[in-house]
Amino acid sequence: DAGVTQSPTHLIKTRGQHVTLRCSPISGHKSVSWYQQVLGQGPQFIFQYYEKEERGRGNFPDRFSARQFPNYSSELNVNALLLGDSALYLCASSLVLVGAHGYTFGSGTRLTVV
Amino acid sequence: DQQVKQNSPSLSVQEGRISILNCDYTNSMFDYFLWYKKYPAEGPTFLISISSIKDKNEDGRFTVFLNKSAKHLSLHIVPSQPGDSAVYFCAASASNRGNEKLTFGTGTRLTIIP
Repeated sequence: DAGVTQSPTHLIKTRGQHVTLRCSPISGHKSVSWYQQVLGQGPQFIFQYYEKEERGRGNFPDRFSARQFPNYSSELNVNALLLGDSALYLCASSLVLVGAHGYTFGSGTRLTVV
Repeated sequence: DQQVKQNSPSLSVQEGRISILNCDYTNSMFDYFLWYKKYPAEGPTFLISISSIKDKNEDGRFTVFLNKSAKHLSLHIVPSQPGDSAVYFCAASASNRGNEKLTFGTGTRLTIIP
């Protein structure tokens, strides 16, 4: 049974560019969340989607956006990249919306902005 | 404002002994607490959780204790094994607000010495 799949695993972008990160949740999971983990810190909540609707947004600028597709996969988009956006971006899926247990994380996408 | 704090960045424990990882929180709305384990190049893996209505939850070698009055929780691992060497994150959510957002601490790197 496949876990949470994220692509790409690594990428390097230049300041000012745009990036799209992708996530496929565990089959049957309808909730997808995105987290940013900067080196030396814990993951920080960016977005949560459930049934294709945004259910939560963290304290991130409007340069960050996301969406969830009918098959429950999700994209995270970041515009006008800054050096500070360099981080590990984690996607997590869960079966239900309420109840924090049951989050399964993917291995993440390592984004480096130069 | 760090709502979940792990004040020990690192901890070394002899194999076979008890490992105790600590976590403090400030937000009294948190009602669910989780511990995640993270190996390099992998996403966090759910370890154990506890609801605010309990003060202890046990799963094999892992036990989590919650002291609501002190806003403190701890993870006990006994006996510690070399495979337990990883970064451990404490996380909390206010699930009664219908929000599954997890707030993470900064992590504690546990090293088990053979």
